[in-house]
Amino acid sequence: KNEVEQSPQNLTAQEGEFITINCSYSVGISALHWLQQHPGGGIVSLFMLSSGKKKHGRLIATINIQEKHSSLHITASHPRDSAVYICAANFGNEKLTFGTGTRLTIIP
Amino acid sequence: EPEVTQTPSHQVTQMGQEVILRCVPISNHLYFYWYRQILGQKVEFLVSFYNNEISEKSEIFDDQFSVERPDGSNFTLKIRSTKLEDSAMYFCATTGLAVNNEQFFGPGTRLTVL
Repeated sequence: KNEVEQSPQNLTAQEGEFITINCSYSVGISALHWLQQHPGGGIVSLFMLSSGKKKHGRLIATINIQEKHSSLHITASHPRDSAVYICAANFGNEKLTFGTGTRLTIIP
Repeated sequence: EPEVTQTPSHQVTQMGQEVILRCVPISNHLYFYWYRQILGQKVEFLVSFYNNEISEKSEIFDDQFSVERPDGSNFTLKIRSTKLEDSAMYFCATTGLAVNNEQFFGPGTRLTVL
C-alpha cells in the first residue's frame, strides 16, 4: 500500500534553532514533495525532488532513495516559519499521496 | 506570478443540496486535481483530470461527485447531494506540461454542510 509517514507530528522550537522534519514512504516513488500549509489553510509547494538535495533560502530538502526517506531542514528558524509542513509523494502516477503533516511552532 | 484561483472561498449549504466549486487553473497547465482535507485530517486525493477526461479517481469520488471543464478555463467539482461528511476544505491543484511536476494549489474552498 502506498503510504507516507511523517515525524514528529508536532514540533516546538525557539527562534534560531535548526529544525528537521522527517518523512518516510512505503514503496518506490517518482517524486517527493514538501508543502507548507498556513493557518488559513492555503498550501504552497516548497520542493519537489526525486534525488539528492535542494536548497531555497533557509530551507533544505534531502532524499535518500535507498532508505525511502526524506528530510526537510530549516536553518535559523523564525516565528514566521510556523506552519504545518506536509510531505507528499507521487507513487508512479500523477496524484499526490499525503502525510499527516508536522505542525511547527517557533517561539520568539 | 501565475496562480490557481478558487471560488467561493467559503460555502455553507444544507444537507442534500447541490454545490459547485470552481477553480481557474494556471493558463498553460494540462493536469488538474481536486483534493479535500477534513478538519484535523490529512489531505486526500479525489480526482485527476487530463485531456478533458478523468484520469484517476479515489474511492471517495463516488456517483455524487463529478468534474468538468465547461468552458476550457474553469475546472469545476460538483457534489450532487451533499452530506454532513462532505464538510471539508477542497483544494484544486494544477500541473504543467508533464506529470510528476510541481503541483500548484489554489487557496481552497471551505465547504460546510449543515
